[in-house]
Amino acid sequence: AQSVTQLGSHVSVSEGALVLLRCNYSSSVPPYLFWYVQYPNQGLQLLLKYTSAATLVKGINGFEAEFKKSETSFHLTKPSAHMSDAAEYFCAVRTGYGGSQGNLIFGKGTKLSVKP
Amino acid sequence: DAGVIQSPRHEVTEMGQEVTLRCKPISGHDYLFWYRQTMMRGLELLIYFNNNVPIDDSGMPEDRFSAKMPNASFSTLKIQPSEPRDSAVYFCASSLNRDRNYGYTFGSGTRLTVV
Repeated sequence: AQSVTQLGSHVSVSEGALVLLRCNYSSSVPPYLFWYVQYPNQGLQLLLKYTSAATLVKGINGFEAEFKKSETSFHLTKPSAHMSDAAEYFCAVRTGYGGSQGNLIFGKGTKLSVKP
Repeated sequence: DAGVIQSPRHEVTEMGQEVTLRCKPISGHDYLFWYRQTMMRGLELLIYFNNNVPIDDSGMPEDRFSAKMPNASFSTLKIQPSEPRDSAVYFCASSLNRDRNYGYTFGSGTRLTVV
């Protein structure tokens, strides 16, 4: 069965520092991978997605993620953190194309704090 | 587009009472999903619909939970009777043509507290 593991439930960085949020997936077939962001008291918003095209994917708000098949990883990065990036980030995987396999499976989430 | 609209935003109810959560998906989206979010279990898929028909309800925790989608623009999630362990944030999401590489659009959620 497909699954996603996010390493670190809480990451803290200083404003202007590099943001790195880690995500590893488990899948027996090529996956579709997604990153979502959740701001306090809001729903999840799609940041970016990998769908077997370019391995480096650019998303909104300056975030990007690189798909590495050999490492089964899809880590999220941003060169310079802003205070407004403080939120919870979720990695998700979908491996199927029909039935319940087509559903998104979410990781537990990583809460990002940005210090001034 | 106003996005996925959920109501109410907050609900506080007493144990044993019936609770109904509501969702209006994005117009034209043919898939609708109900998720539950808790600290302990994260995001769990409860049920999803395609063209108003329930496809997979294997995530519904108990018979106390039921969901309906009477038309393309409205869905409900009902808990009867409610219990304190049902306290969570419930999200509705919709998607167009799930078998392609579309992500889901989530509503703002309903925070349910059962006391």
